[in-house]
Amino acid sequence: NAGVTQTPKFQVLKTGQSMTLQCAQDMNHEYMSWYRQDPGMGLRLIHYSVGAGITDQGEVPNGYNVSRSTTEDFPLRLLSAAPSQTSVYFCASRPAGRGYGYTFGSGTRLTVV
Amino acid sequence: GESVGLHLPTLSVQEGDNSIINCAYSNSASDYFIWYKQESGKGPQFIIDIRSNMDKRQGQRVTVLLNKTVKHLSLQIAATQPGDSAVYFCAENPGGSNYKLTFGKGTLLTVNP
Repeated sequence: NAGVTQTPKFQVLKTGQSMTLQCAQDMNHEYMSWYRQDPGMGLRLIHYSVGAGITDQGEVPNGYNVSRSTTEDFPLRLLSAAPSQTSVYFCASRPAGRGYGYTFGSGTRLTVV
Repeated sequence: GESVGLHLPTLSVQEGDNSIINCAYSNSASDYFIWYKQESGKGPQFIIDIRSNMDKRQGQRVTVLLNKTVKHLSLQIAATQPGDSAVYFCAENPGGSNYKLTFGKGTLLTVNP
């Protein structure tokens, strides 16, 4: 099993460009989430999904869209990149129910210039 | 503000010593806690978890202690090794929320040979 796979690992965007960060998991986990990590800020939840076709906003959803058409995939779309979105993005998944931790991908380092 | 925080942002120990990393949480409804380890350039990695009906749980060289009275969590690492050098995060799962994990800002552990 590969676990949680994120692509790309690095990306540089110009302000105003759009792009999609890919996330796939092969553990048949129901829950998937996107976090961003900024220095001194810890991990902050952007969007999450509790199953295919179900998504909702986290703490910092502005400027991002998500969809969950399959159990395996949970892409994160940046609609119009801004320098404030420069960050490291982590996708994570876990089984449904209580008492489970998230398994994280290796991250995408995004720079918006 | 953050509902999960750390007393010490950095900790430096000698190889072979025991390390203790502390975490305070403010949500008394949280019933599940996790410690993650994050090495440079990687995603957070699950270390150990504990449910609120326990006050201690042991793993391989690690022990988590939970004091619900003062809302305090600690991670003890025995015989610390250079490979333990990383940022350690505590995370809490608030009661009533299956999906949400709230992360602290992290403690940087440096192990000196």
